[in-house]
Amino acid sequence: QQQVKQSPQSLIVQKGGIPIINCAYENTAFDYFPWYQQFPGKGPALLIAIRPDVSEKKEGRFTISFNKSAKQFSLHIMDSQPGDSATYFCAAVAGGTSYGKLTFGQGTILTVHP
Amino acid sequence: GAGVSQTPSNKVTEKGKYVELRCDPISGHTALYWYRQSLGQGPEFLIYFQGTGAADDSGLPNDRFFAVRPEGSVSTLKIQRTERGDSAVYLCASSPLAGRYNEQFFGPGTRLTVL
Repeated sequence: QQQVKQSPQSLIVQKGGIPIINCAYENTAFDYFPWYQQFPGKGPALLIAIRPDVSEKKEGRFTISFNKSAKQFSLHIMDSQPGDSATYFCAAVAGGTSYGKLTFGQGTILTVHP
Repeated sequence: GAGVSQTPSNKVTEKGKYVELRCDPISGHTALYWYRQSLGQGPEFLIYFQGTGAADDSGLPNDRFFAVRPEGSVSTLKIQRTERGDSAVYLCASSPLAGRYNEQFFGPGTRLTVL
């Protein structure tokens, strides 16, 4: 059962473009939504995270938009750079637990051309 | 300081063999997680340790999989009678505290290939 659906599978943009990655979830118990960045041969690293009491969060060039009623959230990367080329995963954690059991989306391979 | 380390980085084994995968978390981190990442997929939760005890092992696929953390630091994931379907990257993550909002720091993973 895929609880967090992520799209697109892959994305190619030019330097300076604004790639957008979308995720949708089914479990209404989810109450924490982190995004992870993964480079080849490395483990995922936390990029930015949001809780559903806000509709948007910005950290540097990265912005999460959150739509609680639609059960959707998305990552926007402003002024994308070739160094942003990586695989991005959205994830979710359910409330009611005291630990971070992450449920990941399938991932999006982002390529930023110079 | 050092991050999460995992050994070996690569493990090739034959179907039916036993393997052990090791995780060294960041010093002082009490929470430890194991995930499995199949090719082209996101990581899937396997097990969570708080201290020495496995607080949630609901993600272990079957009884061939077992994990321990006897002293509350290093953890070992053990797989018996390996099958080709066990081939994946096994990721370990640690967190300073157990809370669900706390950042998990991932290791580079162990790539397991079962021939």
